[in-house]
Amino acid sequence: QSALTQPPSASGSRGQSVTMTCTGTSSDVGGYNYVSWYQQHPGKAPKLMVYEVTKRPSGVPDRFSGSKSGNTASLTVSGLQAEDEADYYCSSYAGSNTVLFGGGTKLTV
Amino acid sequence: EVQLVESGGGLIQPGGSLRLSCAASALTVSSNHMTWVRQAPGKGLEWVSVIYKGGNTQYADSAQGRFSISRDASKNTLYLQMNSLRAQDTAVYYCARGFYSMDVWGQGTTVTVSS
Repeated sequence: QSALTQPPSASGSRGQSVTMTCTGTSSDVGGYNYVSWYQQHPGKAPKLMVYEVTKRPSGVPDRFSGSKSGNTASLTVSGLQAEDEADYYCSSYAGSNTVLFGGGTKLTV
Repeated sequence: EVQLVESGGGLIQPGGSLRLSCAASALTVSSNHMTWVRQAPGKGLEWVSVIYKGGNTQYADSAQGRFSISRDASKNTLYLQMNSLRAQDTAVYYCARGFYSMDVWGQGTTVTVSS
């Protein structure tokens, strides 16, 4: 199984919105509503930002929103803030009790 | 506060073995699906293994046959036994709560496989 495909970089100015994509196949992203997004600052552990495609854990700002269309999932960050600058990883259940991660997108604000 | 603390990482020669531990606080390991994820230097996240709350286990192809995940309810601790280590296993290893999504992560422990 190959990793999910994420663009290596994305950028936006403070206050703007940016959307990051995560492309898989019908065997993972397209086949299940178990897409998650994680934020990782340098030297830190990942933090769950979105789960089950659209749900936000308690404490995650509503500026972060997830969606999915076909085999591609997306994470939109609106009202960009300086602290949003980080690496973002998507993951998806891939069947057969396995999980795939994307290669990550470095967001620059 | 819910917390996971990994330990056991270090420098190990190729072919060697290492056991990682993940001690949990305010979280019952045996009542949750628990996952190991690793991150090679400068690379992305890679799912390694899961132990379901029912006790079943699953491994990534890269870990199958070499790694073994387990837990000790009395110590509320998760383990990852790693054998036949290769240079490609060099990474920060994180334990996390969950499987489909992972909502609590440890700080990671570094494993370096090198002669």
